[in-house]
Formats: sequence, C-alpha cells, structure tokens
Amino acid sequence: KQEVTQIPAALSVPEGENLVLNCSFTDSAIYNLQWFRQDPGKGLTSLLLIQSSQREQTSGRLNASLDKSSGRSTLYIAASQPGDSATYLCAVNSRSLGGSRLTFGEGTQLTVNP
Amino acid sequence: EAQVTQNPRYLITVTGKKLTVTCSQNMNHEYMSWYRQDPGLGLRQIYYSMNVEVTDKGDVPEGYKVSRKEKRNFPLILESPSPNQTSLYFCASSLHSGVAGEYEQYFGPGTRLTVT
Repeated sequence: KQEVTQIPAALSVPEGENLVLNCSFTDSAIYNLQWFRQDPGKGLTSLLLIQSSQREQTSGRLNASLDKSSGRSTLYIAASQPGDSATYLCAVNSRSLGGSRLTFGEGTQLTVNP
Repeated sequence: EAQVTQNPRYLITVTGKKLTVTCSQNMNHEYMSWYRQDPGLGLRQIYYSMNVEVTDKGDVPEGYKVSRKEKRNFPLILESPSPNQTSLYFCASSLHSGVAGEYEQYFGPGTRLTVT
C-alpha cells in the first residue's frame, strides 16, 4: 500500500527566502506525482504535475523534482511571498484495482512573514 | 470555465437525516471520485467512478453511497449520517483513470459537513 510522507509539517520563513518542501513515497511504481496548494477552508489548486518519466517541472517561481527510484519529490519555491502562505500537498498517483489511485501526504503548512 | 462544482458548500445536519452532496464537472471527464479530509489523517478516497454506471469503493466507503447515472454528475449520499462523518469533502475528476494514469486531477471547492 502506497504511503506518502511530507516533511516538514509546518514551516515559517521571512519573505524573500527560497525554500524546499519534501515529499517521500514508499512504492516507486507510480504514474505521476502532483503538488497541490490548499488555502484555509478552501479547495485544492493543482500546482505541478510530474509524470513518472520526467525529472522536473517548472511553473513560474515553482520547481518540482521527482526521483522515482528513491521515492522522493521536492517542491522548490523561489523568492517566497506572503501570498504563498498555504498548505502544500503532495499526491502520488499509482496503480490500483480501479486503474490508478491518488494517495496524499498530510501536507506542509507554509507561512511567509512580511 | 472548466470546473468541478459541489453543493452545498456548507451543511449542518442531525444524526440519521439522509443527505446528498452533489458534484458536477463540465470537462467531459470519465473519472470522478470523492475524498474526505480530516485533521491528522489527510485526504482519503471514499468512492470513485471510472465511467457512467461504473463505481467502486475507495479506502473509507463505510456509511456512504454514490451513483453515476450521467457522465457529468457524481453525487455522494449519506443515508444515515453520524457525527464521525463530520468532515471536509472534496469531489475530483480527471479525463481518465486508465492504465496510464497520467491525467491531472481537478478538485471541487469542498463541502464542509457537520453532523450533530
């Protein structure tokens, strides 16, 4: 059974810092990995999707990497801003009886202080 | 605008009173699913549907029912809600699930349910 762990659980940084969020998963036989952002009481916004054949994806100040063999992904946020404050969720899409299944980590709660 | 919608967004009800949370997507997606999110437990899948009239249990299906009569709609039914079903519920869809599983999942805004 796939298990996803995110470290750290919470992170507080001053505005302008570059930061890295970590995600690890136990079963490397994945289809893809998706990073989401969740604002308090709100839905999930997809940030980046990395296919199993890819090593990284970039969108603006965000860069996500994937090392499938070691079961790790990182989300790099450059020049952080207060508007980046949110919970960041990592979700791994892997094989299941129904074709594929998303397994989520518990998230990293990020606070960027002005 | 491509989106997944859920209704209601907030619901407070009493134990045992049947309720339905609706989910609709306008992207012609085949795959739809329901998740619940609880502190310390993260997001867990309740039910999923590969296509019309094809549904199956996820990780935590007890106490829930679903139906998929039309491609765009995937309602979540709580026949006799209990306080342990108090949670934040999300509906999601993707183009396919399939063997490749490479498709991005899109999430609705969430439904906060409180059962007293």
